[in-house]
Amino acid sequence: GQNIDQPTEMTATEGAIVQINCTYQTSGFNGLFWYQQHAGEAPTFLSYNVLDGLEEKGRFSSFLSRSKGYSYLLLKELQMKDSASYLCAVGDYFRDDKIIFGKGTRLHILP
Amino acid sequence: SAVISQKPSRDICQRGTSLTIQCQVDSQVTMMFWYRQQPGQSLTLIATANQGSEATYESGFVIDKFPISRPNLTFSTLTVSNMSPEDSSIYLCSVEVAGGRTGELFFGEGSRLTVL
Repeated sequence: GQNIDQPTEMTATEGAIVQINCTYQTSGFNGLFWYQQHAGEAPTFLSYNVLDGLEEKGRFSSFLSRSKGYSYLLLKELQMKDSASYLCAVGDYFRDDKIIFGKGTRLHILP
Repeated sequence: SAVISQKPSRDICQRGTSLTIQCQVDSQVTMMFWYRQQPGQSLTLIATANQGSEATYESGFVIDKFPISRPNLTFSTLTVSNMSPEDSSIYLCSVEVAGGRTGELFFGEGSRLTVL
């Protein structure tokens, strides 16, 4: 089965940097994903990591260590619009590559 | 990308009744999924909607409670049967697009059901 852990809530200040951690256990790892979900809206895809290392995309970066079962999402130059839930998810090839989501981290940005 | 229309967007239902949610996609997709998101929780996969055959259900979900249809590549329905207050949730249709980025799911806006 799978187990995905991430903090329930975090608070950061506008303009700052925040790192959201995610640890996972899965039998057939086939990718680590991050999604953003604003309150009352559908989730949207942010990033995908399947190899170890850092993937950078603008203000957002995602890191993966497969040996440690660990990932983080790094948000730089925080803006008020970054207030949202951030969902860590894994793909499992023993489950036909279905995407399984963690409980999400609700990020609050303070002015 | 894909644009997904779900309806109803919200409904208030009586205990014991059933409601069917429709999901229409603007392009042909490879995979369609139904997720549930209970208040303050993350997304739980209910089932994969398979075209022309029975859906594949995840542990804890059964066809009698959540019958699913997918008559073609762009449309699917999820029925929540014999509803109870515990079924109050947001139900989301999700798709993978052929040629899209690995693991990139597109979601509908969701159907928020409240069961009294």
